[in-house]
Amino acid sequence: DIQMTQSPSTLSASVGDRVTITCRASQSLNTWLAWYQQKPGKAPKLLIYMTSSLESGVPSRFSGSGSGTEFTLTISSLQPDDVATYYCQHYNSYSCSFGQGTKLEIK
Amino acid sequence: EVQLVESGGGLVQPGGSLRLSCAASGFTFSRYWMHWVRQTPGKGLVWVSAIKGDGSSTTYADSVKGRFTISRDNTKNTLYLQMNSLRAGDTAVYYCARDWADCGGDCYLPAMAFDMWGQGTMVTVSS
Repeated sequence: DIQMTQSPSTLSASVGDRVTITCRASQSLNTWLAWYQQKPGKAPKLLIYMTSSLESGVPSRFSGSGSGTEFTLTISSLQPDDVATYYCQHYNSYSCSFGQGTKLEIK
Repeated sequence: EVQLVESGGGLVQPGGSLRLSCAASGFTFSRYWMHWVRQTPGKGLVWVSAIKGDGSSTTYADSVKGRFTISRDNTKNTLYLQMNSLRAGDTAVYYCARDWADCGGDCYLPAMAFDMWGQGTMVTVSS
């Protein structure tokens, strides 16, 4: 099974900061990568699919990139509403696995 | 409004059974693969099972194979998860989720990304 490791586990940043969350795969991925946002007590919400495609309705300050074993989620200008835990997910038609999550807080 | 609403969670003893339901609305339910995903503080998010739009194909995580059964009733726009021989390790919040790919029900395989989630239902397995 492919293991997904996110870093950092916790991130504290100021409003307006550029924020980057990294997701590393245990082996090179020939599959897709997705990112989800989860707020306390709520279900995850799809932000990015196919590594870099923005889901409909998601603010353009969110972007995804990467290939092989290293992927990133970037928030270009952090907003108070972005406080949440973020998860990466590798997926193909036969399996998927999630990272352990990165908790994003406002300084 | 497009939404998924789970129900059926609760407290059950080890070895017991529980049936979860997920009512879908606001979209053509039969066009999509549907999934169950569970979440625990310790293991995080884990995919559990999936079923094709017409119900003709199913797939399971190894950890639940032989104990859980996914099914759907497209006349009622409802997804189910029958959970038997429950163990303490099955304790989790269970989410139903819609597959990202809209292929009119003809996708041979799911995309395995999830573009819509229910609010979740808690399952606790304990004596």
